[in-house]
Amino acid sequence: EAAVTQSPRNKVAVTGGKVTLSCNQTNNHNNMYWYRQDTGHGLRLIHYSYGAGSTEKGDIPDGYKASRPSQENFSLILELATPSQTSVYFCASGDAGAQDTQYFGPGTRLLVL
Amino acid sequence: GNSVTQMQGQVTLSEEEFLFINCTYSTTGYPTLFWYVQYPGEGPQLLLKVTTANNKGSSRGFEATYDKGTTSFHLQKASVQESDSAVYYCVLGGVSGSFNKLTFGAGTRLAVCP
Repeated sequence: EAAVTQSPRNKVAVTGGKVTLSCNQTNNHNNMYWYRQDTGHGLRLIHYSYGAGSTEKGDIPDGYKASRPSQENFSLILELATPSQTSVYFCASGDAGAQDTQYFGPGTRLLVL
Repeated sequence: GNSVTQMQGQVTLSEEEFLFINCTYSTTGYPTLFWYVQYPGEGPQLLLKVTTANNKGSSRGFEATYDKGTTSFHLQKASVQESDSAVYYCVLGGVSGSFNKLTFGAGTRLAVCP
């Protein structure tokens, strides 16, 4: 049974529109993460969270906001979507230790026209 | 800052051939190192991890050795199968005691032909 789920799985948006990507985890992990995946770059960290109510900037936060209303849910928000944000987005959850595994969702494919 | 280098973007092998994927990293201290694998249509999943305490990890026939001297963490498998076709990411984790922020390499796409 999938422990990290994402919705929607595919999304087409228009330039300048608002996009919200949602993530839910049933692992009871404190930490959650949003990454984007682009050819030649692997996965890059956008935002992360230590727990409900917290959000922190990752390596590439510009143009993105995040929201963590509960232990289980973590959203990524594109207030004004741009074509450069066309990508595949992955959510992950994990414990806080440096040796701990992160568990990824299936991804959301976003196309901004 | 932290960085991970995977020079091989694509590797094509026949079944039962030997697999070797290069990975080098740059960081301060002695981090945990991971290999994640991503199958088509799925998110990455952990293949194996190695800490400074154990130096070598293995899983499902794959092996990786943590070499602090050359800052390398190459992945190898003696005999690949078609089901091993996937993208493999070398990943740098945090230093012990720090927050677990992962740094991914660019990935190596493995295609295994029957």
